[in-house]
Amino acid sequence: KNEVEQSPQNLTAQEGEFITINCSYSVGISALHWLQQHPGGGIVSLFMLSSGKKKHGRLIATINIQEKHSSLHITASHPRDSAVYICAVRSKGNKLVFGAGTILRVKS
Amino acid sequence: GAGVSQTPSNKVTEKGKYVELRCDPISGHTALYWYRQSLGQGPEFLIYFQGTGAADDSGLPNDRFFAVRPEGSVSTLKIQRTERGDSAVYLCASSLRAGGQGEGYTFGSGTRLTVV
Repeated sequence: KNEVEQSPQNLTAQEGEFITINCSYSVGISALHWLQQHPGGGIVSLFMLSSGKKKHGRLIATINIQEKHSSLHITASHPRDSAVYICAVRSKGNKLVFGAGTILRVKS
Repeated sequence: GAGVSQTPSNKVTEKGKYVELRCDPISGHTALYWYRQSLGQGPEFLIYFQGTGAADDSGLPNDRFFAVRPEGSVSTLKIQRTERGDSAVYLCASSLRAGGQGEGYTFGSGTRLTVV
């Protein structure tokens, strides 16, 4: 079993829909990151969380430390949100352990 | 620099050859990380530096892989006797320092290595 599990693996949505991507982890962590990766592009850091909730524009990230679970929400989705969204956790030793990613496609 | 710079962006090499991949982190970032991402998978940790020293190299797959950061800034990932299975995107990231809950990462755009 991977230390970081994401769901769904693939997600197709219509423009304007509310989107949720989930991340569960099995190790103790000091922080959790949500990252965005466009095809052929590098990785952009969206959020870093250690507790509670953060919001940036149409993106919201939440984390429940007790349940070892985090969610990334996108409100009013747009085709330009199409990308791979990756959850990564920082456990011991400062290195990140990544989930396999969620491929999001938003259709107009 | 303004961001993390990785060169080359693409590298095609023949099986058995030696390659070097370069990462230029954000100025002042003391922590530097190398990850490898195979097709369809999430990135996997290779090695990280705090300053000039490799603080954790547990992710390097074998002794064909080696990385240096002699002056605590630019890092070079070196792969000897490349194999087709080494084909992947090699990602570099840096942060102001390692440790603590407040350190965000900045990633480079990666080097896509193809071994033919």
